Amino acid sequence: TQLLEQSPQFLSIQEGENLTVYCNSSSVFSSLQWYRQEPGEGPVLLVTVVTGGEVKKLKRLTFQFGDARKDSSLHITAAQPGDTGLYLCAGGIYNQGGKLIFGQGTELSVKP
Amino acid sequence: EAGVAQSPRYKIIEKRQSVAFWCNPISGHATLYWYQQILGQGPKLLIQFQNNGVVDDSQLPKDRFSAERLKGVDSTLKIQPAKLEDSAVYLCASSYDDRRFTEAFFGQGTRLTVV
Repeated sequence: TQLLEQSPQFLSIQEGENLTVYCNSSSVFSSLQWYRQEPGEGPVLLVTVVTGGEVKKLKRLTFQFGDARKDSSLHITAAQPGDTGLYLCAGGIYNQGGKLIFGQGTELSVKP
Repeated sequence: EAGVAQSPRYKIIEKRQSVAFWCNPISGHATLYWYQQILGQGPKLLIQFQNNGVVDDSQLPKDRFSAERLKGVDSTLKIQPAKLEDSAVYLCASSYDDRRFTEAFFGQGTRLTVV
């Protein structure tokens, strides 16, 4: 059974601070997705990484896929209140029919 | 492009009653997922279809939950009878068949409250 461990589970910071969220597993994934979810809405896809060591940037967000494709991180620079939400990582397993399993999420609160 | 459509958005039922949720995936997406999300947690996969065949239903409580995807498009998820612990958001997602990676797009979900 594949598991994804996210840390931290909760993060409360002040506007302007930097933060990193981690997503770790003992399993190898075909791809790794990061989603953001706001209350009352479904998760929204932020990025997909597929190559070991890959780094992608989306404005103030930087995503990295581990060399062995077992872990990933999300770094936010100069966090803003609009970044508040639940961040979810999800591992894709192509040879299991595109199975997608989620970590437990990181609840981020950015205070002005 | 239209997104994943789900209905209803909210449902309140009494325990032991039955309920059904409907999902219409993005056009052309072969894979459809149903997830259960408890408040503040990550989504838990209940069942995954590819076209109209089941790929994975290992975490579906089959004594009370059932799902179908007729004609490989729309899908329904049913709970009968409901228990208090079924209170959660039920999310439907779909993805296209890409041989390199999986990207799922989600509907807004159905919030179920069992009282």
